Amino acid sequence: GEDVEQSLFLSVREGDSSVINCTYTDSSSTYLYWYKQEPGAGLQLLTYIFSNMDMKQDQRLTVLLNKKDKHLSLRIADTQTGDSAIYFCAEREGGGSYIPTFGRGTSLIVHP
Amino acid sequence: EADIYQTPRYLVIGTGKKITLECSQTMGHDKMYWYQQDPGMELHLIHYSYGVNSTEKGDLSSESTVSRIRTEHFPLTLESARPSHTSQYLCASSAFDRGRTGELFFGEGSRLTVL
Repeated sequence: GEDVEQSLFLSVREGDSSVINCTYTDSSSTYLYWYKQEPGAGLQLLTYIFSNMDMKQDQRLTVLLNKKDKHLSLRIADTQTGDSAIYFCAEREGGGSYIPTFGRGTSLIVHP
Repeated sequence: EADIYQTPRYLVIGTGKKITLECSQTMGHDKMYWYQQDPGMELHLIHYSYGVNSTEKGDLSSESTVSRIRTEHFPLTLESARPSHTSQYLCASSAFDRGRTGELFFGEGSRLTVL
């Protein structure tokens, strides 16, 4: 079945860039998502990218997709303490697939 | 703006009690989901629904049951709670109309502790 892998922890200094990586196995993935979960809350969509795109930028967030290597990354520029959270990568096939596959989440810790 | 609500946010109960976790959304989404999130952060899909009167079990076996009598409401019930049911339960919904990407909208979660 489909599998999505992420490293579990990332620690960065405030003001530095953070890069969270994700790999997936399903070559039929059409939609790839990044969700953010703050302590005690549910997940919230940060950004998404279609499989026919290589890059998407949204303010401090840059998503890079290498479809050949099935590798997705999320870069957060000028990381702030408020960015400390768990980040989930998810993928979904197009068509009639309504169930996304989530990675295990990467806990980002931003220290002063 | 996501409008999906879960109650209660926190619940501490004794073993053997029956509990219902409520989930409601006002976005008219036809797809709804329940996830169990363990302390190691991983999400496990336990139930989902494609619409009214449709319910399916997810990847993780669960002793809970769900119902979908109305589009906006997707409650989860445990007939007899046990300490192994202690977890965070997240409800989500999505829509796949033209132009949407099918992202999930999550509630704030219900944290259940069974003593």
